[in-house]
Formats: sequence, C-alpha cells, structure tokens
Amino acid sequence: KAGVTQTPRYLIKTRGQQVTLSCSPISGHRSVSWYQQTPGQGLQFLFEYFSETQRNKGNFPGRFSGRQFSNSRSEMNVSTLELGDSALYLCASSSHTDGLSGNTIYFGEGSWLTVV
Amino acid sequence: GQQVMQIPQYQHVQEGEDFTTYCNSSTTLSNIQWYKQRPGGHPVFLIQLVKSGEVKKQKRLTFQFGEAKKNSSLHITATQTTDVGTYFCAGNTGGFKTIFGAGTRLFVKA
Repeated sequence: KAGVTQTPRYLIKTRGQQVTLSCSPISGHRSVSWYQQTPGQGLQFLFEYFSETQRNKGNFPGRFSGRQFSNSRSEMNVSTLELGDSALYLCASSSHTDGLSGNTIYFGEGSWLTVV
Repeated sequence: GQQVMQIPQYQHVQEGEDFTTYCNSSTTLSNIQWYKQRPGGHPVFLIQLVKSGEVKKQKRLTFQFGEAKKNSSLHITATQTTDVGTYFCAGNTGGFKTIFGAGTRLFVKA
C-alpha cells in the first residue's frame, strides 16, 4: 500500500512569488491535513480537508489556502511568499471518520520550501 | 483554544539512562497519540491510547494515559542511540481536530 506522497520534495522561491504543493493521500483515506514545521519547531496545523470540504483551520493568514479534489488528493497554496514561510510542509492523511476513537495519521515526507 | 503542552522541550541523556516526556491538555481528550520524528525525517505513528488510565508497552517504551484523560507520558527505559529524535504527543477531543504538542527532542550520547 503506497504511503502519502508529496511533491515537490524541495523547492526554492523568491519573496512575493506563490507556490503550490501537492499531496496524494493513502488510498481510501478521505482526510488530508497540512502542517508547517520550521527547524526545531513543532507541528503547526494549517488546515484539514475531508471529502473536499475544509473541516478545520489553523491560525495562519489568508495567504495560505488549500483544497481537496474528489479523488482526495490535496493541494495547498501560499501566495505572496515571505522569508518566514521557509519551512517543511507536511501533508498527512487519515481515514478519520470518527473523531472519538481517533485514527492514525500518516505523514508524507514533506516539501521543503526555501524562500529567498 | 485547546492546547496540548509538552515538556521538556529538550532532553540530553547518556546512553542507558531513562527518558520521560509529558503531555498535558487543557481539556479532556478522547484519545492521545504519540509520534516519533527522526532527524531529517517525518513523524511516524507510535501508539494510540483511548481509555482512562491506560498503559501500553512497546519493548522499552511505556505509554500512559491519565485517569482524567488530560495528561499522558512516554517513558523510555535504557535509551539507545536509535531513540534519538523528536517525540510528539497529539490529542484529539472528538472534533476531528488533532492538536500536536510542541515535541520533546531527545539527544542520546553514546
């Protein structure tokens, strides 16, 4: 069973540009979450999508947006890039249909974004 | 808003020493999960605790969920260099939102 796939793995962008990151979840998983991780920092929750609907959102500015397609694949977009956006962006998928019992979150290897 | 606090932020141990990281939630959790992230890697699921007072073991790792389901701990006995990494707890209140602690970074000196 293929894991969570993220593309691209590494990219360098210039301030002011925009970037789109892609995530293919594990087959059958309908929940996709995105996290930002800066060096030595924890996992900052960006947003979560389930069946093409944004179900939860973290405390990030509107420059950060996402979407999910009917095949559960997801993309996140960051517009008007700032130096502080340099980070590892992790996508995670889960079957997550029942918030009470919990579901394992499977992370992709991440997309390393450097803004110069 | 709901928070999951994790301490300590860093821990340096000599190989063979024990290690413990603690998580505390501001609200009652329906379940808590633990993840390990090796340096340069991505977080990997270790275990999930659901029941009040639950204790689970994985070889040298012992996980506990508090009676009030607001705190949890991960204890590693006799650390090895392969235990190096960052350990995250992640709490879920049943609202489909998983809140991660800030993580405890473990350094093991051989």
